[in-house]
Amino acid sequence: DAKTTQPTSMDCAEGRAANLPCNHSTISGNEYVYWYRQIHSQGPQYIIHGLKNNETNEMASLIITEDRKSSTLILPHATLRDTAVYYCIVRLLGQNFVFGPGTRLSVLP
Amino acid sequence: EAQVTQNPRYLITVTGKKLTVTCSQNMNHEYMSWYRQDPGLGLRQIYYSMNVEVTDKGDVPEGYKVSRKEKRNFPLILESPSPNQTSLYFCASSLGQGATYEQYFGPGTRLTVT
Repeated sequence: DAKTTQPTSMDCAEGRAANLPCNHSTISGNEYVYWYRQIHSQGPQYIIHGLKNNETNEMASLIITEDRKSSTLILPHATLRDTAVYYCIVRLLGQNFVFGPGTRLSVLP
Repeated sequence: EAQVTQNPRYLITVTGKKLTVTCSQNMNHEYMSWYRQDPGLGLRQIYYSMNVEVTDKGDVPEGYKVSRKEKRNFPLILESPSPNQTSLYFCASSLGQGATYEQYFGPGTRLTVT
């Protein structure tokens, strides 16, 4: 069974915040939440990861609910170059990454 | 510049002709991995290596071999390629398998087996 559930696709207007949800209702206490993205057949690119606390870096913010059953990746000001497939991955220490189908984000002009 | 490189980027070959796809990283990473990506199936791990001379099967290892003689290189070998190995292949590396270690991916190799 998949550890995460994401919408198949989403649209976002250029310049607006893109909020990508991920459901991971069966997450265990030691599992981290990772986000990667893949721009049109290029190699996946790391975005951000977190365990319990919200995280922010130069690319995005990660909001994890208090019960850790879901999270949201926020791209604060989406640009056309952010059009990509976004993968939410839940992973334990020492485990391999398992990529699901992800969410296809289209940023529209 | 820190990077993972793969060669070749594109390859068309015939069934049964042995081939090797090279992968090299310049970040002194211990962990390296190969994935294949097919439409509708996402990224699936083929093999991974925790360090030099330490390799293990991923989810779809059949028809592939790997070796890790040096830390920086992790070639993927197809001894007798078949059309069902037509795919987009990615090599990745990370410092280790620890939870805080992100993976860096190469640009991909598009393989067609006829």
